[in-house]
Amino acid sequence: EAAVTQSPRNKVTVTGGNVTLSCRQTNSHNYMYWYRQDTGHGLRLIHYSYGAGNLQIGDVPDGYKATRTTQEDFFLLLELASPSQTSLYFCASSETRTNSGNTLYFGEGSRLIVV
Amino acid sequence: LAKTTQPPSMEAYEGQEVNVSCSHTNIATSEYIYWYRQVPHQGPQFIIQGYKDYVVNEVASLFISADRKLSTLSLPWVSLRDAAVYYCIVTVPSSGSWQLIFGSGTQLTVMP
Repeated sequence: EAAVTQSPRNKVTVTGGNVTLSCRQTNSHNYMYWYRQDTGHGLRLIHYSYGAGNLQIGDVPDGYKATRTTQEDFFLLLELASPSQTSLYFCASSETRTNSGNTLYFGEGSRLIVV
Repeated sequence: LAKTTQPPSMEAYEGQEVNVSCSHTNIATSEYIYWYRQVPHQGPQFIIQGYKDYVVNEVASLFISADRKLSTLSLPWVSLRDAAVYYCIVTVPSSGSWQLIFGSGTQLTVMP
């Protein structure tokens, strides 16, 4: 069973604050993803990466940076957090590009509240 | 872009078979169909995938219409643990890469 671990699981920060969400996968998957989940919007892709040092822009990238430091670690950075970024964030990984039929494995989520 | 349409909610009793439909009228030749589910406080979990015809695994079965515009996820003998949001997804090309786009899903309520 693939393992994707996120931290912190819960975070409260103030507007303008700096937040880093961490994700580690232990299956040597090539692809890693950051999604946000909001009521009425489902899951929306923020950024993804196909390997260490690589970063690809997703559908809702504004206000977010990301960095893939190793095969295992993918970080989501909010340098000036805003209340609109209050959300549930999920990290996921997959072995290859998803169109070829490979499965996404999700972490348990990180709930961020920006006050 | 291939989008999906699912019923927003369904209800079933424990032990019943549940069929969740999904319409994807603009599905492209190269796109696959995926089903995931999500229970509260957890990330989505893969259920099944298919390209055409009929696919079955230990958890569910997936029927895809001949024109591939409609798929149906079938869950045999649902239990309370199957209460979740079920997502039907088709792959979408973006900037030369492929992604899964999650919609709003179908909320399945299972009653004892």
